Amino acid sequence: GQQLNQSPQSMFIQEGEDVSMNCTSSSIFNTWLWYKQDPGEGPVLLIALYKAGELTSNGRLTAQFGITRKDSFLNISASIPSDVGIYFCAGLNTGNQFYFGTGTSLTVIP
Amino acid sequence: EAGVTQFPSHSVIEKGQTVTLRCDPISGHDNLYWYRRVMGKEIKFLLHFVKESKQDESGMPNNRFLAERTGGTYSTLKVQPAELEDSGVYFCASSIGQGAYNEQFFGPGTRLTVL
Repeated sequence: GQQLNQSPQSMFIQEGEDVSMNCTSSSIFNTWLWYKQDPGEGPVLLIALYKAGELTSNGRLTAQFGITRKDSFLNISASIPSDVGIYFCAGLNTGNQFYFGTGTSLTVIP
Repeated sequence: EAGVTQFPSHSVIEKGQTVTLRCDPISGHDNLYWYRRVMGKEIKFLLHFVKESKQDESGMPNNRFLAERTGGTYSTLKVQPAELEDSGVYFCASSIGQGAYNEQFFGPGTRLTVL
């Protein structure tokens, strides 16, 4: 099956710092999605990207759909304690199948 | 509006036993998905229902896993007999329609531990 390589695996940052994480694949995706999972909860959609090159923001979050359609990144600016959680990228292929990354665990130190 | 609910939240069973997980999707959502995350790995697709029909079950690991959605409402995922490698978090998600523009809403997951 198609694999998404998500990095970094974990991050420990100080409150107020910016965060950057990314996903790469050897396969092309038509849609890239970024989810956040809070402890004890299921993943919640943060940002959806539908076109190569698209750059989309949602508050302090910004995500981009790579030009090659094989990668995407998510940036979080001015992190706050409630940003703690696991962030997953996901790609949707032409067969409407979702593939998720392995997750980036974010810890924000107040 | 209630979100996707899953029961139980945790289950600890011994190898060889049977476990049944339940998912109640958001009311009116015809599409229901099951996913699994083994610790530290990616969330993997298991199968997709449209109403009561299995649209795609290509992710089901083997025939020890049986998913049903009788009546097109709630769904169950039964593992029989459970093996050690079945441990992980099982997520259910639902959506109104299919494809990129139909957001999938996830439940909180069932954490299954097989000893």
